[in-house]
Amino acid sequence: ETGVTQTPRHLVMGMTNKKSLKCEQHLGHNAMYWYKQSAKKPLELMFVYNFKEQTENNSVPSRFSPECPNSSHLFLHLHTLQPEDSALYLCASSQGTGGRETQYFGPGTRLLVL
Amino acid sequence: GIQVEQSPPDLILQEGANSTLRCNFSDSVNNLQWFHQNPWGQLINLFYIPSGTKQNGRLSATTVATERYSLLYISSSQTTDSGVYFCAVPPPETSGSRLTFGEGTQLTVNP
Repeated sequence: ETGVTQTPRHLVMGMTNKKSLKCEQHLGHNAMYWYKQSAKKPLELMFVYNFKEQTENNSVPSRFSPECPNSSHLFLHLHTLQPEDSALYLCASSQGTGGRETQYFGPGTRLLVL
Repeated sequence: GIQVEQSPPDLILQEGANSTLRCNFSDSVNNLQWFHQNPWGQLINLFYIPSGTKQNGRLSATTVATERYSLLYISSSQTTDSGVYFCAVPPPETSGSRLTFGEGTQLTVNP
């Protein structure tokens, strides 16, 4: 138990569906992250939020839309995805985004796009 | 951007054996982290170690920042140590939130 929870744990969706991934951290952290982990590839950073403000967008396609209503919650809204978007989506949090921050990860959502 | 290389890519051990995993990085860093990802996908932070040596039970890590590498030692391995081990570093020009991960070492410990 890392203090970061994600729902759902598994998701199957069609290319025309709209769904949302949810992340919640119970650590009192100010920074939250979305990562994508495709099979046989290293983790790729997607988005960074610090104090609810987006500070990084790693050239992510607009079919992925993040939302951070407060420092404890982070959402990833999905629409018109492609089969190559199938992956493990990981949320993480850290105290801040300074140079010495340990990141704590949630269990991930395994997404399959048909 | 910064390059991170891990070796070996795959490692198979018998329970009780020791192992060393290596992480090389291409530029100076102020933050290096080791993670373990279990077979169900959960990533756990093992060490924050920008330099020097740290130990936590059967695991220890050493980073030699001047030579741009870090080592993770696993002693008396157990089947629960199986999974993928990642090292991650930030690019030198940023604050450190944007971690770049290596491709990982897939460790299998057989009973």
